[in-house]
Amino acid sequence: GESVGLHLPTLSVQEGDNSIINCAYSNSASDYFIWYKQESGKGPQFIIDIRSNMDKRQGQRVTVLLNKTVKHLSLQIAATQPGDSAVYFCAERGTGFQKLVFGTGTRLLVSP
Amino acid sequence: DADVTQTPRNRITKTGKRIMLECSQTKGHDRMYWYRQDPGLGLRLIYYSFDVKDINKGEISDGYSVSRQAQAKFSLSLESAIPNQTALYFCATSDKASGRHYEQYFGPGTRLTVT
Repeated sequence: GESVGLHLPTLSVQEGDNSIINCAYSNSASDYFIWYKQESGKGPQFIIDIRSNMDKRQGQRVTVLLNKTVKHLSLQIAATQPGDSAVYFCAERGTGFQKLVFGTGTRLLVSP
Repeated sequence: DADVTQTPRNRITKTGKRIMLECSQTKGHDRMYWYRQDPGLGLRLIYYSFDVKDINKGEISDGYSVSRQAQAKFSLSLESAIPNQTALYFCATSDKASGRHYEQYFGPGTRLTVT
């Protein structure tokens, strides 16, 4: 498969554990924050988003937390599975801009 | 995602050559994007297009050009390839009408190597 990030921070967890992936963003005026998952050899895939007027949003096995005070975003994955192994990117959309700015990514490794 | 296709999937070319990467989508989306991905740098936006007549430069457009031939097709050209353009290239689409135009759908990528 493709090597998308030789120098990425890596989080290693055991199957069944909960995973927390963190992201610091830069623009306090950003109005949407999004998490993408990229599996080896594939393009990024949308997971979940959160609007800037929220501090928590839940999806299926995933929760995104937003702390605007410290400009921090996190993705929590419950009961992590081997299929969750991938690179995870956060992205932000600044107000007035119609495009996204992506973070550098975190590699999640899930071992059985 | 089979709805967004990129050709070729892999390409090796020599310095100075002109090369075109093509992207097609069947999602009916109006917005299309080209990104490059380098290790440790995440995804960086090269060009984006909100419709056939609206094309905009992204953060790293130097050395690249694009053409939006139709709503479903958006191609990226390297007029004279150089080694530091070696990267993974992704095309993406989004749909303004959905109100979720920040939700982008990516193609499988093109691995470009310039020797």
